[in-house]
Order: sequence, then C-alpha cells, then structure tokens
Amino acid sequence: EPEVTQTPSHQVTQMGQEVILRCVPISNHLYFYWYRQILGQKVEFLVSFYNNEISEKSEIFDDQFSVERPDGSNFTLKIRSTKLEDSAMYFCASLIPPNTEAFFGQGTRLTVV
Amino acid sequence: AQTVTQSQPEMSVQEAETVTLSCTYDTSENNYYLFWYKQPPSRQMILVIRQEAYKQQNATENRFSVNFQKAAKSFSLKISDSQLGDTAMYFCAFMKHEGETSGSRLTFGEGTQLTVNP
Repeated sequence: EPEVTQTPSHQVTQMGQEVILRCVPISNHLYFYWYRQILGQKVEFLVSFYNNEISEKSEIFDDQFSVERPDGSNFTLKIRSTKLEDSAMYFCASLIPPNTEAFFGQGTRLTVV
Repeated sequence: AQTVTQSQPEMSVQEAETVTLSCTYDTSENNYYLFWYKQPPSRQMILVIRQEAYKQQNATENRFSVNFQKAAKSFSLKISDSQLGDTAMYFCAFMKHEGETSGSRLTFGEGTQLTVNP
C-alpha cells in the first residue's frame, strides 16, 4: 500500500541552526501539507502546497519557514533559525482530490536544544 | 474560520464495552467533511472514519460509527466492542469542501485520550 514517508524520525538541533525535514508523499497525490504537534497539544496546520506553490499557510508559517518540492518526489520543510518553541512533531501529509483522505507520514520529532 | 472542540481530554472504557467520544465544531460553511483520526503511541495519524456534511446518513466503519447532527454542529464517534488496540488519542477534524479538485487543510480538535482497560 502506498504511504507517505518522512525522514529523519528524530532530529536534535541547536537553537539558531537551520533544519530541513524531508517527506516523500504518495506519488500520484497533488496536494501536500505540513502540520505540527507540540507535545500534548493539538495538531496544527502549517502550510499546503499545490502545483509547485504554496496554496495556503497559517499564521505560524512565518518567514522562518519555507517549503520546497525540489525534484518532483521530495517535499521539504525548512526552518531557517530554529527556536526552542519549534520543538514539536512535524507531520507531512498528501491528498489527491476528489478523495478527501489525507495520508500522513509517521512524523519527525524535532528537538531544539 | 473553523473551530473544532473536543471537551473530553480523557476517556476510559472496559474491553468489549461501547464508548462515545464527543466533538462539536463551528463553521459558516455549508459543504464540508468531518473526520475522526486515531493517533496511537507510535504517533502515526490514521483515518478512522469520515462524514460528508451533505449526507444525512451517519457513516459507519465496522465497529466505528458516528452520530452527525448538522444543525447542532455535533459529530460524535461511537466505538463498539472496544479492543485494547483502540487505546489511542482520537482527533476530530474539519475540512472545507472547496470543489472536486481542491484539497483543503484539516482543522483539528484538541484530542481525547482513550484508554481501553482489560
């Protein structure tokens, strides 16, 4: 069964460092998303990506964040200068309309120290 | 903007019993979808069940069923014959319907931690 894969599963980084989280969405899917879940809290939407551009972003997704689909298979989330409060689980998801089921990856746990 | 509220942070149920998890939402949209996602200790998000707002019939998937009350903006999940493997965090989620070719974002509730006891 096709699945969304994320790497790494756990990343530890120093405050102020840049980090790139990687995702391989399901190959025929058209919409790609990043969500964030701070430990013990709800899952929050960060950004959606369609047709090689951002289709929607939340207020969390500020200038420190960027997304890219560099090669037609990978979908990356970059955080330029990490803060302690960026520590969270980051989930990638993909979807192909008209199917409304978003398929999630297993998540990357980001720890900023 | 949409909001989703789950007022039960924690629930527990005995194995083989039935449990209902509550969810309410607020939206001005008329066309939308509602979902229940399960997040076991592995943290993977797994779709349990989905409901189209234009359908009056409540969705069912094996032991999982929903009670969708559109006027009351309520969307509860009933788990019958609970199993130990049902122990997980359950999130209610909302998605706008923006056309057959669109993929809107999910708005999640705070989650309900369900524990199934042997």
